[in-house]
Amino acid sequence: DTGVSQDPRHKITKRGQNVTFRCDPISEHNRLYWYRQTLGQGPEFLTYFQNEAQLEKSRLLSDRFSAERPKGSFSTLEIQRTEQGDSAMYLCASSLPQGGQYFGPGTRLTVT
Amino acid sequence: DQQVKQNSPSLSVQEGRISILNCDYTNSMFDYFLWYKKYPAEGPTFLISISSIKDKNEDGRFTVFLNKSAKHLSLHIVPSQPGDSAVYFCAASFRGATNKLIFGTGTLLAVQP
Repeated sequence: DTGVSQDPRHKITKRGQNVTFRCDPISEHNRLYWYRQTLGQGPEFLTYFQNEAQLEKSRLLSDRFSAERPKGSFSTLEIQRTEQGDSAMYLCASSLPQGGQYFGPGTRLTVT
Repeated sequence: DQQVKQNSPSLSVQEGRISILNCDYTNSMFDYFLWYKKYPAEGPTFLISISSIKDKNEDGRFTVFLNKSAKHLSLHIVPSQPGDSAVYFCAASFRGATNKLIFGTGTLLAVQP
């Protein structure tokens, strides 16, 4: 059973560095979502793709954040010039056009 | 502006009894609601959902009730088991389940043996 996978699971970086996370969705799912979760909060929507098209971006996704899904399969989320406030769990989910969203285990980012 | 609210941060229930988790929302345009369960160090796992055209959906031990006039939904777990101990998130969306989800802050359920 290959669910949604995310890499790395943990990332510690210094403020000002760039980081990139990868998400591999369930193979037949054409929709892919990124969420961010901070302590004591529920996941917050960042952006989503249908195939390779990025259809919606949250106001939370500042210009330091960029997401891509170049071939409609895996996706990357890059954060440039990281800040301490970027420390969070970054969750990826995927879905079929008609179906629930299945989440990966997340990437925990710590910015020191 | 918290559109989906879970006002109880935690709930403790005895094994075998009913667990009732509550969720309130403010936007009457939401048309699909979901419950997710989350264990530490894992992503949320989908549990059950309900469309706004229904008022009840049942799946095994889990039942979700929707009261649109009160903008309130609840998740009932009967009977509760120790393995149900987790954080439960309520989520809502517009235009079905495949668009962005708006989550509540979660309720930590502890089922005591």
